[in-house]
Amino acid sequence: NAGVTQTPKFQVLKTGQSMTLQCAQDMNHEYMSWYRQDPGMGLRLIHYSVGAGITDQGEVPNGYNVSRSTTEDFPLRLLSAAPSQTSVYFCASKGGINIQYFGAGTRLSVL
Amino acid sequence: AQTVTQSQPEMSVQEAETVTLSCTYDTSENNYYLFWYKQPPSRQMILVIRQEAYKQQNATENRFSVNFQKAAKSFSLKISDSQLGDTAMYFCAFTAGNTGKLIFGQGTTLQVKP
Repeated sequence: NAGVTQTPKFQVLKTGQSMTLQCAQDMNHEYMSWYRQDPGMGLRLIHYSVGAGITDQGEVPNGYNVSRSTTEDFPLRLLSAAPSQTSVYFCASKGGINIQYFGAGTRLSVL
Repeated sequence: AQTVTQSQPEMSVQEAETVTLSCTYDTSENNYYLFWYKQPPSRQMILVIRQEAYKQQNATENRFSVNFQKAAKSFSLKISDSQLGDTAMYFCAFTAGNTGKLIFGQGTTLQVKP
């Protein structure tokens, strides 16, 4: 089983560039989410989705957009990258009994 | 607002010994879940153990066990017979009900020494 797949694993952007972090899961989970991990701060919720067509903001949504057109995919878009968005990004999907499965993460550097 | 606090940024333990990682949380919810995640250098987030707040019995998974003190809002992780492969960052996390929104602590870096 692939579980939760994130691409790319690494990315370097220049300030102002846009990009999309991809996330796909093959477990038919309705709930998916994006987190960012910064040194000394643990993971913080950016956006989440409870099903296709439904998204909502988490703790740190500014500068990020999401959409959920299918159950499997939940991409995260940076419209105009800023150095403050340098971080490690994790996608997760939630199965039964409240267990979340995480992707391998994307390390993003914005110069 | 819910918060999760891990007060030990770094810890070390000798191989085969026991270590306890601390976590406290704050919530007004009655229905919630607590987790410990392990993040090795590979960066992968691995679920170690899970505790449902309504269960009084402490969760156990092989060498990993928790001490869940609901009234004190404390959720510590005990690792017995520490192994070199336990070297990692450990995160305590909280979620209310079935919301799916995880709130993480700051993490504790654990080094197991040979």
